[in-house]
Amino acid sequence: DTGVSQNPRHKITKRGQNVTFRCDPISEHNRLYWYRQTLGQGPEFLTYFQNEAQLEKSRLLSDRFSAERPKGSFSTLEIQRTEQGDSAMYLCASSSDNEQFFGPGTRLTVL
Amino acid sequence: RKEVEQDPGPFNVPEGATVAFNCTYSNSASQSFFWYRQDCRKEPKLLMSVYSSGNEDGRFTAQLNRASQYISLLIRDSKLSDSATYLCVVGGAGSYQLTFGKGTKLSVIP
Repeated sequence: DTGVSQNPRHKITKRGQNVTFRCDPISEHNRLYWYRQTLGQGPEFLTYFQNEAQLEKSRLLSDRFSAERPKGSFSTLEIQRTEQGDSAMYLCASSSDNEQFFGPGTRLTVL
Repeated sequence: RKEVEQDPGPFNVPEGATVAFNCTYSNSASQSFFWYRQDCRKEPKLLMSVYSSGNEDGRFTAQLNRASQYISLLIRDSKLSDSATYLCVVGGAGSYQLTFGKGTKLSVIP
């Protein structure tokens, strides 16, 4: 499968715990994006990398959120001290031009 | 005013019907426009890009009116497999981030 992959697909955690998600983009894509989607809403942009450089960050990305793409390939999104409001689907996408290809997402539930 | 606004839906239509989705965007500097489709509990997938000249792909026709900041999607001869949520998406000027509308859910009924 040469599409975008994300792990884990589901994560249940208790409030206050830290969680980390991984995204493996399509191999030849130099751009990688993170979005968050809650029920009944469209995806909301969180952050964007071109190669290993994080070029844009949304106001939604609080200090508890950090994303990395250390070698310009896979990326991780970490949420520290999770809150119930962090419960959502976290989507990763990659692109080499205008079309963004999305992964299946990681569904986070914070109890 | 939300950046991208869509018909709230849902739309329930019989097979074979023609259905139109409307969308407006607030940022006049927006440079790229798309319709994405999202099946239940799945990721969004690009349906088609939208150009000022209008574009057609089989049963699907997309239109963009920059002056009115309005985007539309027309589905003709709807099929059961067209049932999904349709997301209007706008790309910013000088930015690769996409701004999504809330989506409009379509159910095509036999």
